[in-house]
Amino acid sequence: DVKVTQSSRYLVKRTGEKVFLECVQDMDHENMFWYRQDPGLGLRLIYFSYDVKMKEKGDIPEGYSVSREKKERFSLILESASTNQTSMYLCASSLLGPRDEKLFFGSGTQLSVL
Amino acid sequence: GESVGLHLPTLSVQEGDNSIINCAYSNSASDYFIWYKQESGKGPQFIIDIRSNMDKRQGQRVTVLLNKTVKHLSLQIAATQPGDSAVYFCAENAGANNLFFGTGTRLTVIP
Repeated sequence: DVKVTQSSRYLVKRTGEKVFLECVQDMDHENMFWYRQDPGLGLRLIYFSYDVKMKEKGDIPEGYSVSREKKERFSLILESASTNQTSMYLCASSLLGPRDEKLFFGSGTQLSVL
Repeated sequence: GESVGLHLPTLSVQEGDNSIINCAYSNSASDYFIWYKQESGKGPQFIIDIRSNMDKRQGQRVTVLLNKTVKHLSLQIAATQPGDSAVYFCAENAGANNLFFGTGTRLTVIP
């Protein structure tokens, strides 16, 4: 089975801090995604990557950046955390694009920004 | 049924009964649909998918029905069990590099 591992289950940070959320997948998938999940809003795509060093903006990229230096690892960066970035963050991967195949999700990181 | 932007609907069923979870989608160009299950404290887990050239697909205890005329998707769970209690999301893809997710339906199974 595909395993997508997010480094932290819970994080508490202060406003203005730089935050790194790490995600690793073990199935040699080409594509990796970062979503945030908020009550009543469902999952919204922040950034995705189709290859090493490639990144594409999703629907809500403002306030975030990403890094994909290795195929198995996709990092989400909050340059200066704000309270409105308190959310559940979900990483996902897929072998093909989202038109063609299901996404495999990690267990999520619940980030609280105080 | 669920749709983007609505409050999370809920569904309660007795153990052993069949469950039907509905989803309305808005983009008639969507050609790929997925149902996910999310248990408390976990990430979404794939259940079943269907392409627009089909109107029904069956898995183990689950069936997905697609009605393109009214842009409606449903997930049927047979003989619902306590372990089926979760939030269920539908997702659609209309050709962009993104899946659009509904807000989810919370299913509670009453023992």
